[in-house]
Amino acid sequence: DTEVTQTPKHLVMGMTNKKSLKCEQHMGHRAMYWYKQKAKKPPELMFVYSYEKLSINESVPSRFSPECPNSSLLNLHLHALQPEDSALYLCASSQATRDSGGYTFGSGTRLTVV
Amino acid sequence: AQSVTQLDSHVSVSEGTPVLLRCNYSSSYSPSLFWYVQHPNKGLQLLLKYTSAATLVKGINGFEAEFKKSETSFHLTKPSAHMSDAAEYFCVVSDNPAGKSTFGDGTTLTVKP
Repeated sequence: DTEVTQTPKHLVMGMTNKKSLKCEQHMGHRAMYWYKQKAKKPPELMFVYSYEKLSINESVPSRFSPECPNSSLLNLHLHALQPEDSALYLCASSQATRDSGGYTFGSGTRLTVV
Repeated sequence: AQSVTQLDSHVSVSEGTPVLLRCNYSSSYSPSLFWYVQHPNKGLQLLLKYTSAATLVKGINGFEAEFKKSETSFHLTKPSAHMSDAAEYFCVVSDNPAGKSTFGDGTTLTVKP
């Protein structure tokens, strides 16, 4: 299995809702990432997990809460989001953060905040 | 510190003609360099990577890139464009062991029939 699977593919949520994005990989990768991508822009790093521990938080607002329950799963919990948080959220993995082999990306979750 | 500049925001070619997407980088160390492709409403797919082995790197779908240290460049080429190559292309540099890679702003490739 050489894929990163993200669910759901699309999500519409109100500003008072709580929702979660899920990401799963079975490649034995020990580094997992959340990126946010706005239209016509490159992905922006949000969080890095290395061996299930949060190693980088790029000053992301607390309304985004990551979780790594095990080496195969990565969640992003969303609460009280703003319309400007609407974007494509991408999960990626690599063998390790020092891995020079590159990332494997999921197809993303298209999030719309209304 | 690392940075990457994609020299063209848009490139338009005719089907069957060569493709050249340009990327310059800056790095304090020996970097790893990557090209990713993103089709509309999709995730990013790794096209090829340079990791200090051969300077001419072959990737998927007929793409190649050459690492030129003296010019700090890593340009992406393909001899003959297909309609399916129309997409956004990102050049990425990584010299950070903590996992922070730097993405270029992207180049939109249009392929005309």
